[in-house]
Amino acid sequence: DAMVIQNPRYQVTQFGKPVTLSCSQTLNHNVMYWYQQKSSQAPKLLFHYYDKDFNNEADTPDNFQSRRPNTSFCFLDIRSPGLGDAAMYLCATSPKVSRGRSEQYFGPGTRLTVT
Amino acid sequence: TQLLEQSPQFLSIQEGENLTVYCNSSSVFSSLQWYRQEPGEGPVLLVTVVTGGEVKKLKRLTFQFGDARKDSSLHITAAQPGDTGLYLCAGAPGSARQLTFGSGTQLTVLP
Repeated sequence: DAMVIQNPRYQVTQFGKPVTLSCSQTLNHNVMYWYQQKSSQAPKLLFHYYDKDFNNEADTPDNFQSRRPNTSFCFLDIRSPGLGDAAMYLCATSPKVSRGRSEQYFGPGTRLTVT
Repeated sequence: TQLLEQSPQFLSIQEGENLTVYCNSSSVFSSLQWYRQEPGEGPVLLVTVVTGGEVKKLKRLTFQFGDARKDSSLHITAAQPGDTGLYLCAGAPGSARQLTFGSGTQLTVLP
């Protein structure tokens, strides 16, 4: 089945220790997104790639970086995690979207704990 | 200010009851989507509504898009414990590509 895969599902890191979360997709979608979600809140968009074109949200901290080496894979790098970065990180994909319509397909998420 | 306001924020009901969740905005949306998210999982797309006044049914779930395409509702008939989850409405306002999510409705259906 075509899907969005995130690894690992659970990640524990130490305060200040760099961590990388990964996402892969078999949907062959052009657009990939990274969201941060805290408990019982809506997902908050960090950035997205439209093909190789990187789009950062204005309020995404510099501590968060992303790489998309090819269509299938996208990585989220947190350079120096703080306690406030503990959250669920969601990857999503979307086919080439027409403006005003953007159905997204989410992975299962990675739960990040910072100790 | 939240672009998409959802109400209620929390809802706890008994199995078999009916419920409605509302998603409202002052902006016009070309389409709105509804997602359900279970604990520890990613959101799953339930439906997209596109045309003003449109009604879509998915088993016991009925989705409606307002005539002016500024609001939407989700009605669940005879709720079951398996309906428990976070319900999110989302849309791309105007000509935007990125989704804006509503604040979410946490639904708990008690057996």
